[in-house]
Amino acid sequence: QLQLQESGPGLVKPSETLSLTCTVSRGSLSGGTDYWGWIRQAPGQGLEWIGTIYYDGTAYHAASLKGRLTMSIDRSKNQFSLKLTSVTVADTAVYYCARNENWFDSWGQGTLVTVSS
Amino acid sequence: EIVMTQSPATLSVSLGERATLSCRASQSISSDLAWYQQKPGQAPRLLIYRASIRATGIPARFSGSGSGTEFTLTISSLQSEDFAIYYCQQYSIWPPYTFGGGTKVEIK
Repeated sequence: QLQLQESGPGLVKPSETLSLTCTVSRGSLSGGTDYWGWIRQAPGQGLEWIGTIYYDGTAYHAASLKGRLTMSIDRSKNQFSLKLTSVTVADTAVYYCARNENWFDSWGQGTLVTVSS
Repeated sequence: EIVMTQSPATLSVSLGERATLSCRASQSISSDLAWYQQKPGQAPRLLIYRASIRATGIPARFSGSGSGTEFTLTISSLQSEDFAIYYCQQYSIWPPYTFGGGTKVEIK
């Protein structure tokens, strides 16, 4: 069964860049045609889609984050990543990566990223 | 952007009872709807996609219905492990994918 695992710093200072990586195991990005997504959840709040990347690197972003969000994919490492620049306290959330078959059928456990000085 | 609205925000149900959760889309999304269950401290789990198809390993007591703008998730006989927050998500017109605000199913 496909497994995903987020990794990255749990604390980021305001105005700095949040960087997260999702490693896929028991499955492969290489040669696949899947989409891979990022979803976040602010404390006590609902789910917010933030972006999706296709296996060929084509990326789609939430409009609210455009200009700050960059996504990439490294099929040789079975990883995909996000970078969110100029973070504020409003970016504090649990960040999930997931396989994106339109619906999200396999999720990472999530990683809490806190934006604080 | 398609707005998804879930009701009620909280549903109080006794063990063994039926639970009916609603999700409404701001415009027609055909059957392009998924349902998720989320327990505290856990990632969401896919329950239903294409409005009515159960995901792998999901018990038969979970069923989805609807099309267009009105959708329903029914849990036929609530078990203790079903108390959680449930979200709907549309994928008809994206970006963006959009989620409803969630329905919390709690013990009555």
